[in-house]
Amino acid sequence: EDQVTQSPEALRLQEGESSSLNCSYTVSGLRGLFWYRQDPGKGPEFLFTLYSAGEEKEKERLKATLTKKESFLHITAPKPEDSATYLCAVQGGTSYGKLTFGQGTILTVHP
Amino acid sequence: DAGVIQSPRHEVTEMGQEVTLRCKPISGHNSLFWYRQTMMRGLELLIYFNNNVPIDDSGMPEDRFSAKMPNASFSTLKIQPSEPRDSAVYFCASSFSGGNQPQHFGDGTRLSIL
Repeated sequence: EDQVTQSPEALRLQEGESSSLNCSYTVSGLRGLFWYRQDPGKGPEFLFTLYSAGEEKEKERLKATLTKKESFLHITAPKPEDSATYLCAVQGGTSYGKLTFGQGTILTVHP
Repeated sequence: DAGVIQSPRHEVTEMGQEVTLRCKPISGHNSLFWYRQTMMRGLELLIYFNNNVPIDDSGMPEDRFSAKMPNASFSTLKIQPSEPRDSAVYFCASSFSGGNQPQHFGDGTRLSIL
C-alpha cells in the first residue's frame, strides 16, 4: 500500500525567511510525485510533477526536489501570499491513475 | 480556460435525504476522479473513471454511495440515504489518461448532513 507522510504539520515563517517542507513516501514503482497548493475553500491547485530521483522543478519562489524516499518543497524568500496548505501525492506502479495524498503542511507567512 | 466545475458548492440537508453532487470535467480529459476531504482522513479517493468506465471503486465507503458518468462531460456522485458522517468536502478532478498525468481539481462541494 502506498503511503505519504508530510512534515511539519504546520510551519510559520516570517516574510523572506526561506524554509523547506518534507514529503516522505513508500510506493511500489513510483510513476510520479505531485505537489499541490490548497487555499481555504478551494480545490488543490497543481504545482509540480516529479518522475525520478534527482529531478528538480521550479516555479517562482518554489523549488521541488526528489530522492528515492522523499521530496522537498523549498520556499525561497516567501511572501504572505504563499500562505496555504501544501499537499504531496504519489502514484505507484500498481495504482493506475490513483493518487495517495499526505495530510499536508499548513504554511503561514507573516509580513 | 474553464476548469473542473462542480455543483452545488454547498449543500445542507437532513439525514436520510438523497444527495446528488455534479461534476463537469475539463474538456478533453478522459479520466475523472471523485475524492472526499475531511480533517481526520485528509483527501481520499472514492472512485475513478477512464473513458466513462468505472475503473476502481474500492474507496466508495458503502453501498449508499454510487457514481455515474453517462458521458465525457458529466459525472454524478449520489448518496442515498445520507448520514451525518458523510459530512465532508467532496472534490472532483480530471486528467488526461496515461497514468502519471496531473489531476486538476474543482473547488468542491461542502456537504453538511444534519
